[in-house]
Amino acid sequence: EPEVTQTPSHQVTQMGQEVILRCVPISNHLYFYWYRQILGQKVEFLVSFYNNEISEKSEIFDDQFSVERPDGSNFTLKIRSTKLEDSAMYFCASSVDRNYEQYFGPGTRLTVT
Amino acid sequence: AQSVTQPDIHITVSEGASLELRCNYSYGATPYLFWYVQSPGQGLQLLLKYFSGDTLVQGIKGFEAEFKRSQSAFNLRKPSVHWSDAAEYFCAVGNFGNEKLTFGTGTRLTIIP
Repeated sequence: EPEVTQTPSHQVTQMGQEVILRCVPISNHLYFYWYRQILGQKVEFLVSFYNNEISEKSEIFDDQFSVERPDGSNFTLKIRSTKLEDSAMYFCASSVDRNYEQYFGPGTRLTVT
Repeated sequence: AQSVTQPDIHITVSEGASLELRCNYSYGATPYLFWYVQSPGQGLQLLLKYFSGDTLVQGIKGFEAEFKRSQSAFNLRKPSVHWSDAAEYFCAVGNFGNEKLTFGTGTRLTIIP
């Protein structure tokens, strides 16, 4: 069964450094998403992406964040200058179309020290 | 704004007993409703979904949920739990016209022998 994959599974970085989290969505899916889950808190929407542009974003998704689909398979989330409060589990998801169920990857745990 | 409430933070159930996890949502129109399960260290797995039609929906692993519009509820049920059902369960709501899912805070399920 096709699944969403994410790399790395765990990333440790120093405050102020740039990080790129990578995702490979399910191949025939058209919508891609990033969510994050701070330890002990709920899963929060960050951004959705369709047709090579941001479709919707939350107030969390400020100028420090960017997303890109650099090729036909990868979908990335970049955090330009990480802060301690960016430490969280970041989930990538994809769906075949808008308003369809979203399938989530296993997550990347980002630790900012 | 849409919101989801999962009033039970932690539930303990004996193996073989029945289970009901509560979920209430707040949204003006007809929502799309989902239940996801997260095992320790794992991603979010879709258990079931409701978009329209029959208000009782069946999912994977023997789970079902019933959409009750009058109560703004979408409770998850299983007639007989197995030790492998121990996990965190998240209810989520989406709506037609935008892509983001709004998650509840989750219910942690513990199974005792």
